[in-house]
Amino acid sequence: EAGVTQFPSHSVIEKGQTVTLRCDPISGHDNLYWYRRVMGKEIKFLLHFVKESKQDESGMPNNRFLAERTGGTYSTLKVQPAELEDSGVYFCASRSGANTEAFFGQGTRLTVV
Amino acid sequence: GESVGLHLPTLSVQEGDNSIINCAYSNSASDYFIWYKQESGKGPQFIIDIRSNMDKRQGQRVTVLLNKTVKHLSLQIAATQPGDSAVYFCAENGLFGNEKLTFGTGTRLTIIP
Repeated sequence: EAGVTQFPSHSVIEKGQTVTLRCDPISGHDNLYWYRRVMGKEIKFLLHFVKESKQDESGMPNNRFLAERTGGTYSTLKVQPAELEDSGVYFCASRSGANTEAFFGQGTRLTVV
Repeated sequence: GESVGLHLPTLSVQEGDNSIINCAYSNSASDYFIWYKQESGKGPQFIIDIRSNMDKRQGQRVTVLLNKTVKHLSLQIAATQPGDSAVYFCAENGLFGNEKLTFGTGTRLTIIP
């Protein structure tokens, strides 16, 4: 069974540009989460989808971040325009339901220069 | 607000010795806790979990202890191996089981050969 996959694994963009990160959860997992780890700090929650609906987006830092999950399958996270402080590793995770193990992707390392 | 924190950012242990990684949390209503291991270039990997109705849970070479009185949990790794070198995160999962994970800062464990 394929795990959670994220694309790209690395992205280097200039300040002001747009970047779109993609996450393919484990097939059948309704719950999809985005997290971010900035410069050795803790992993922070960004948002949570249940199927195609945003269950909790309290962690989204500002309106430059837009997440979608059309059709309730894969999800995208767009940053537009990117700022230097957006650099970090973006993780996606999925789980089938409550009190089940959350599986993480390998992350996308975003560097904004 | 709720937070999950770790006492030490780095820990070095001689190969074959036991290691203990500590974590404090502030939300007394926290019900479900998970330890994750993150190796370089990979996403967080589930190690072991524990619910608030337990005070100890054992896995293969790992034990998690939960002290609800002082809101503290620890991860014990027995007979450490070079492959145990990684960053370890504790995380709290909220009351309903499919909410966001709240992570601590992480402890970098280095196994000295």
